[in-house]
Amino acid sequence: GAVVSQHPSRVICKSGTSVKIECRSLDFQATTMFWYRQFPKQSLMLMATSNEGSKATYEQGVEKDKFLINHASLTLSTLTVTSAHPEDSSFYICSARSSGGGGTGELFFGEGSRLTVL
Amino acid sequence: GQNIDQPTEMTATEGAIVQINCTYQTSGFNGLFWYQQHAGEAPTFLSYNVLDGLEEKGRFSSFLSRSKGYSYLLLKELQMKDSASYLCAVSRNTGGFKTIFGAGTRLFVKA
Repeated sequence: GAVVSQHPSRVICKSGTSVKIECRSLDFQATTMFWYRQFPKQSLMLMATSNEGSKATYEQGVEKDKFLINHASLTLSTLTVTSAHPEDSSFYICSARSSGGGGTGELFFGEGSRLTVL
Repeated sequence: GQNIDQPTEMTATEGAIVQINCTYQTSGFNGLFWYQQHAGEAPTFLSYNVLDGLEEKGRFSSFLSRSKGYSYLLLKELQMKDSASYLCAVSRNTGGFKTIFGAGTRLFVKA
């Protein structure tokens, strides 16, 4: 099946610093990737849709200036958490569909990145 | 908007059968997924239903009724390793193709 790789898997940073998380589709091209956030014992909450070559689409309540998304190529999307604070500590997961247009097909997930802000 | 409801927790015995229900309300329905997630790990794909009926895949089966906005995941011959969260997720094709997740059902399998 399709493979999505996410890096880093764990990151600890000081409050006020910025953290970048990378999401790569290894064996397929993904014009669209999705970023989710998951707090402990809660489900995945869609943060934004990352579109190759254009601006990301953010879900209601997600600050676009705080969570910067760049989809520079068909295989790479990055999420930067700017000026991170302890409340941003969470599990961030990216995903992509392996199939082309039509929106069908399963979502393949990266391994997830656990962010801890001290 | 949309709603996805599933039970918070379930407990079952090793070797038994368990059914996890999911109800949803959405516009632009484009399929329903079930994912398994172990603590601290990313979700893994279990099933995808876009037409009504039952899809069977080994010990796992998934059912969909679009008219009722209802799905279930059936796990047979339960094993201890099946203890995990099971996420019901709905794909929609309005406002872009998005997949939205329910809160998940934590399944505990006991010996």
